[in-house]
Amino acid sequence: AQSVTQLDSHVSVSEGTPVLLRCNYSSSYSPSLFWYVQHPNKGLQLLLKYTSAATLVKGINGFEAEFKKSETSFHLTKPSAHMSDAAEYFCVVTASGTYKYIFGTGTRLKVLA
Amino acid sequence: NAGVTQTPKFRVLKTGQSMTLLCAQDMNHEYMYWYRQDPGMGLRLIHYSVGEGTTAKGEVPDGYNVSRLKKQNFLLGLESAAPSQTSVYFCASRRQLSNTGELFFGEGSRLTVL
Repeated sequence: AQSVTQLDSHVSVSEGTPVLLRCNYSSSYSPSLFWYVQHPNKGLQLLLKYTSAATLVKGINGFEAEFKKSETSFHLTKPSAHMSDAAEYFCVVTASGTYKYIFGTGTRLKVLA
Repeated sequence: NAGVTQTPKFRVLKTGQSMTLLCAQDMNHEYMYWYRQDPGMGLRLIHYSVGEGTTAKGEVPDGYNVSRLKKQNFLLGLESAAPSQTSVYFCASRRQLSNTGELFFGEGSRLTVL
């Protein structure tokens, strides 16, 4: 069985400060993990993905995430927030050989000027 | 390259009316999905398809039907709309299941049922 938990439903940061969005997962198989971003009234856009290669994954717009098997975590970080980062972020887990993608409930990131 | 295109983008229905949402992808993807997004619930899978002519139920299939007559198109139908089906609907596609890959999403279809 697979599941994903996003630990914060809302996160607020000031522009220029670091961003940390937390995601824990559970998977019976070797997981693949993704972070997607959704801007208001838009579809979901892939930020980055982990598929059993390097544990530190770099994505678009300066985001990165680290796969930590011992902690079953895949937290999303960015060194310096920008106003354009304000959006909703989804952590997603799947496994090789399955059609199923499990979505977290989302974290809404607010960036304060 | 259009990717995944959904039509219509907005629709208002009265209870009991029917409608069809169309999803079209131009990436030659085998797998296609329909999700609904409701506040605080993430995305929930309605139906999916692993290839032309095949469909299967997801976690919330009741009240919906789907068809995949052509590889590039995946249709979601509501035969008798209910207010509980007010939601934002997303279509997604991906390559065949040989390598675990990302989903590509359309921009969504916002449906309101009065």
